[in-house]
Amino acid sequence: AQRVTQPEKLLSVFKGAPVELKCNYSYSGSPELFWYVQYSRQRLQLLLRHISRESIKGFTADLNKGETSFHLKKPFAQEEDSAMYYCALSGPDRGSTLGRLYFGRGTQLTVWP
Amino acid sequence: SQTIHQWPATLVQPVGSPLSLECTVEGTSNPNLYWYRQAAGRGLQLLFYSVGIGQISSEVPQNLSASRPQDRQFILSSKKLLLSDSGFYLCAWSHQNTEAFFGQGTRLTVV
Repeated sequence: AQRVTQPEKLLSVFKGAPVELKCNYSYSGSPELFWYVQYSRQRLQLLLRHISRESIKGFTADLNKGETSFHLKKPFAQEEDSAMYYCALSGPDRGSTLGRLYFGRGTQLTVWP
Repeated sequence: SQTIHQWPATLVQPVGSPLSLECTVEGTSNPNLYWYRQAAGRGLQLLFYSVGIGQISSEVPQNLSASRPQDRQFILSSKKLLLSDSGFYLCAWSHQNTEAFFGQGTRLTVV
């Protein structure tokens, strides 16, 4: 079953423009939500997690349980933000208290100068 | 500090040959371990995960298997590779519901 949906495969914006990468999830319990980023030729790494409620590199993400969304936002995009962004969900499955870590298919963000 | 090693970085194998990709973690104990396949347009597909030695959960039926012979070692295997097994494979570790750390990945080409 699809647990994490990122509807946009590609997203392009100009430098200085606001950017929003969408993420919706399907989960019956209380999941942990994350955003991971992969810059060119680098390892996949954590950008931020909902539980920390912090801004990283100008990005924020708010967990909206009513809409089951965890969209990633930045008011003014920079060229160095160009990367692949993955939304991820972690939580125990039915019958198990142990968490699995699921990823969306990713959104390639390109910020033009 | 914790590190994760995955090898080889690239691999070209003929159809029907066996496969063994290895992943080891240093600097932590009892990690959750994961194997993912990263495909263009399909994102990161969870293949296997393990919460302890000898404990393997498979996410999707496929031509691959995984084993965890030691606490910090996770192996992805196949007895006979198919063309469709080509892809980019990522190993990762985490502790329960915390940040996951990824290896550098293995680009597998089955010819």
